[in-house]
Amino acid sequence: QVQLVESGGGLVKPGGSLRLSCAASGFTFSDYYMSWIRQAPGKGLEWVSYISSSSSYTNYADSVKGRFTISRDNAKNSLYLQMNSLRAEDTAVYYCARDSNGADYWGQGTLVTVSS
Amino acid sequence: EIVLTQSPGTLSLSPGERATLSCRASQSVSSSYLAWYQQKPGQAPRLLIYGASSRATGIPDRFSGSGSGTDFTLTISRLEPEDFAVYYCQQYGSSPTFGQGTKVEIK
Repeated sequence: QVQLVESGGGLVKPGGSLRLSCAASGFTFSDYYMSWIRQAPGKGLEWVSYISSSSSYTNYADSVKGRFTISRDNAKNSLYLQMNSLRAEDTAVYYCARDSNGADYWGQGTLVTVSS
Repeated sequence: EIVLTQSPGTLSLSPGERATLSCRASQSVSSSYLAWYQQKPGQAPRLLIYGASSRATGIPDRFSGSGSGTDFTLTISRLEPEDFAVYYCQQYGSSPTFGQGTKVEIK
């Protein structure tokens, strides 16, 4: 069965950095685009970034462009999000999701809190 | 950026009633790349509908999607107790965006 497990969240000070990971299993990871989607506490969903199956194409929301970098390691079945210059407004649960006609599988999310 | 506007913000209905949720896009959504998700408290969203009208795997047939261009609808034909949740639409073109959500609550 498809499983996506995020890790790496935590408390970080404004201006700091954090790297999120997502371990995938139960499907051929290298066949799929993957995304990061976030949800601030009590708010709606916000798409953050996606990456193509071979890493040749990435795209970012304007709110994170230049600060976040998405990457993947198909040999390790893993997706990553490097987050730099973090701001209070980046506080959210971050989900990784498999892209297949929308986001058809989601992880359970990892909480990132940006606060001094 | 395509802005998605969902209405109403909250829908108060009783079990067994029909729910009709709207999602309007600021510009045409290409190739009906429109999805609907359900989210319950403390859980990740679940894909219900993709391609505007195709049900995802395992989704009951009381959920249906329709629309094209800029106007889309999610219909729940008869609400079951487990259907009370927040619903989001998403366009998954080259720069995806989500609507702000519609909460379906028990009347």
